[in-house]
Amino acid sequence: SAVISQKPSRDICQRGTSLTIQCQVDSQVTMMFWYRQQPGQSLTLIATANQGSEATYESGFVIDKFPISRPNLTFSTLTVSNMSPEDSSIYLCSVLQFSSYNEQFFGPGTRLTVL
Amino acid sequence: AQSVTQLGSHVSVSEGALVLLRCNYSSSVPPYLFWYVQYPNQGLQLLLKYTTGATLVKGINGFEAEFKKSETSFHLTKPSAHMSDAAEYFCAVRANFGNEKLTFGTGTRLTIIP
Repeated sequence: SAVISQKPSRDICQRGTSLTIQCQVDSQVTMMFWYRQQPGQSLTLIATANQGSEATYESGFVIDKFPISRPNLTFSTLTVSNMSPEDSSIYLCSVLQFSSYNEQFFGPGTRLTVL
Repeated sequence: AQSVTQLGSHVSVSEGALVLLRCNYSSSVPPYLFWYVQYPNQGLQLLLKYTTGATLVKGINGFEAEFKKSETSFHLTKPSAHMSDAAEYFCAVRANFGNEKLTFGTGTRLTIIP
């Protein structure tokens, strides 16, 4: 299985600022995703990170608020822009590997608190 | 389009008792079904999955689930609960081709009573 690391693991930020979250995988993967888990809630897909092109966003999420990069097959970043307290959530990176296409693996998450 | 309903946001069972967490799905195409577990302050770990073949699937930590197409269900069970099973459990569904996006249920928090 893929080993996924995320940085930072947690952060406390002021409203109006931006935070970039990094996701690093120990092997090449076919697909990378970013999810949000609001307090006490389930996971909601923000976007699919596409290598070398713009991410594919789900309804309710826009590139200006959540810019995503994926420069190669093992790395992606998610930026939460112009943050407000409503952005306080856990943000999780997830991947699908070439070798186990039916299993989606998740990173440990980044716990974000916006004051 | 797919959706998942998990009945019971909180379930409590005594240590050693049967664990039953319910999941019903809706899908316009044959689904792949998953159960994930999330321990406090951790990410998600895959417990088990159903893709094709045998409808009773076994996962880690003694859990199993049965895909019942006629009932559109994929309930998670474990014969004997252990204190270490206390966690949040999520059922998820995706299409079996062409769309790899997972749709999650709202989760069930399992509490084990000593």
